[in-house]
Amino acid sequence: GAGVSQSPRYKVAKRGQDVALRCDPISGHVSLFWYQQALGQGPEFLTYFQNEAQLDKSGLPSDRFFAERPEGSVSTLKIQRTQQEDSAVYLCASSLAWVAADTQYFGPGTRLTVL
Amino acid sequence: SQQGEEDPQALSIQEGENATMNCSYKTSINNLQWYRQNSGRGLVHLILIRSNEREKHSGRLRVTLDTSKKSSSLLITASRAADTASYFCATEANAGGTSYGKLTFGQGTILTVHP
Repeated sequence: GAGVSQSPRYKVAKRGQDVALRCDPISGHVSLFWYQQALGQGPEFLTYFQNEAQLDKSGLPSDRFFAERPEGSVSTLKIQRTQQEDSAVYLCASSLAWVAADTQYFGPGTRLTVL
Repeated sequence: SQQGEEDPQALSIQEGENATMNCSYKTSINNLQWYRQNSGRGLVHLILIRSNEREKHSGRLRVTLDTSKKSSSLLITASRAADTASYFCATEANAGGTSYGKLTFGQGTILTVHP
């Protein structure tokens, strides 16, 4: 079946531009996570949704980062006034339930480059 | 912030040899997971070991967990060129409340298997 998809796969933005990154989770998955992966590093947690509710946004690095999942399926991560330090791969993952140890399925990521 | 450290940072072996990667972490955990990442398939879940387990096997993979030392190891036996990838450990912290699966990743080990 279809996995997690993300678009665009690559995004180049000029410093100061706003960007929107989209995640389509596996159909029926309740939990959705966003992670940020800098070059040569492991992914770092940004935010978590259970259906449409954003239950944890403790990893968002600044108020320029905003995420939503209005209908409990597709999610968008928006970054306003992008900075060079925002350059990274943004990964989305979904899992069927909302319990510990449920397998997370990752999308291919969006590579953001801020010039 | 990254939860733990992985070592070695890079490992180069010949096909058929075994590869061992280690992971250390800092907090009390519910479970520890290993993921593989390569450019072709993104981040893929390999195996999960719960905090009350000491060893787990899946095909050519063997994972051990020592909660007293806050460490884990991943052994890949009879390695293949296709095993070439980055390997990450990820922990789900035991925060005392309901856990929904938030993961904290290590920095990863880059494994190269030469044909």
